[in-house]
Formats: sequence, structure tokens, C-alpha cells
Amino acid sequence: EPEVTQTPSHQVTQMGQEVILRCVPISNHLYFYWYRQILGQKVEFLVSFYNNEISEKSEIFDDQFSVERPDGSNFTLKIRSTKLEDSAMYFCASSERAMREKLFFGSGTQLSVL
Amino acid sequence: GIQVEQSPPDLILQEGANSTLRCNFSDSVNNLQWFHQNPWGQLINLFYIPSGTKQNGRLSATTVATERYSLLYISSSQTTDSGVYFCAVEGMDSSYKLIFGSGTRLLVRP
Repeated sequence: EPEVTQTPSHQVTQMGQEVILRCVPISNHLYFYWYRQILGQKVEFLVSFYNNEISEKSEIFDDQFSVERPDGSNFTLKIRSTKLEDSAMYFCASSERAMREKLFFGSGTQLSVL
Repeated sequence: GIQVEQSPPDLILQEGANSTLRCNFSDSVNNLQWFHQNPWGQLINLFYIPSGTKQNGRLSATTVATERYSLLYISSSQTTDSGVYFCAVEGMDSSYKLIFGSGTRLLVRP
């Protein structure tokens, strides 16, 4: 069964450093998302992306965050200057069409900011 | 924004028991999905169920959209059912994001 792939599975970084989290969505999917989950808390929406532009973003997704689809397969989340509170599990997700259908999540990248 | 409440927050079962998890939401929704987060953190999509009833093996779900709730039934539970079950909804004002509840943490004991 096709799946969403995320790399790396774990990322440790120093506060203030830039990180890039990578995702390969399911190949025929057109809508891409990033969510995050702080340890022990609920999953939170960050951003959705379609047709090479952001469709919607949350209050969490401030100027320190950006997303990009640099080629036909990858979808990335960049955090320019990490903060301690950015420590979380970051999930990439994709869907074939707009949200009104099943959303498929990757296995996540655990980001630890020291 | 739309609020999603799940109950119970925690549930402990003996293997073989049945359970019902509830999700209440505060406004009309376009979309409702149930997810299982396994002990390794992976989010598995169980159901896309904005209304009606669906079944998949030992799991079934029912959403009554007019009354703003959804139920997830787990029958003959197994230890592999352990983890956190999340309900997530998409409000009428958005086509691109799911709002998650706080989850029900399930532990199935052998």
C-alpha cells in the first residue's frame, strides 16, 4: 500500500538553528499538509499546500516556518530559527483531493530543540 | 473555532472486551475521521465518516451529524488495539484542515 514517507525520523538541533523536515507524499496525491504534536498533547494543524501555494495556515505557522515542493516528489517544512517550544513530532500528510476524504499521515519526525 | 471533545480520556480493558469511544463536536462539519496512534507514534486512518455507519473488521463507527457526535466501537479488543484514538473534524469554514480532539488513551491488557 502506498505510504507517506518522512525523513529523518529523529532530528536534534540547537536553538536558533535552521532545520528542514522532508516528506514524500503518496505519488498521485495533490494536497499536502504539515501537522505537529507536542508530547502528550493533541495533533495540531500547521499548513496545507496545493498547486504550489499555501491554501491555509494556522496561527502557529508564523514567519519562521515555510513550506516548499522543490521537485515533483518532495515536500519540505523549514523552520528558520528553532526555539525550544518547536520541539514536537512533525507529521506530513497527503490526500488525493481536497480535505473531504481520508488523510494519510507519515510516521513523523521527532524534532528536539536543545 | 470548532471544538472537539472525546470521552473517556482513558480506558483500560481486558483482552476480548468491547468498548465505545465518543466524539462530540460543537458545530456542523464537512468531514470526520478517526485515527489510531500506535505506541510508536504512527497515525493510522481508521475511518472517514462524516455521516452514517461503517465497519472494518472488529471496528465500526457511526456519525450522527445532526446531533454532532460520532462513536467508535471496538469489539473483541486485542492488545494491539492499545494506543490513542483521535477524532478529527473539518469545519464548514475550511476545506484544508482537520481539528483534532484530545484523544482517548486505550490500554488493552492480556
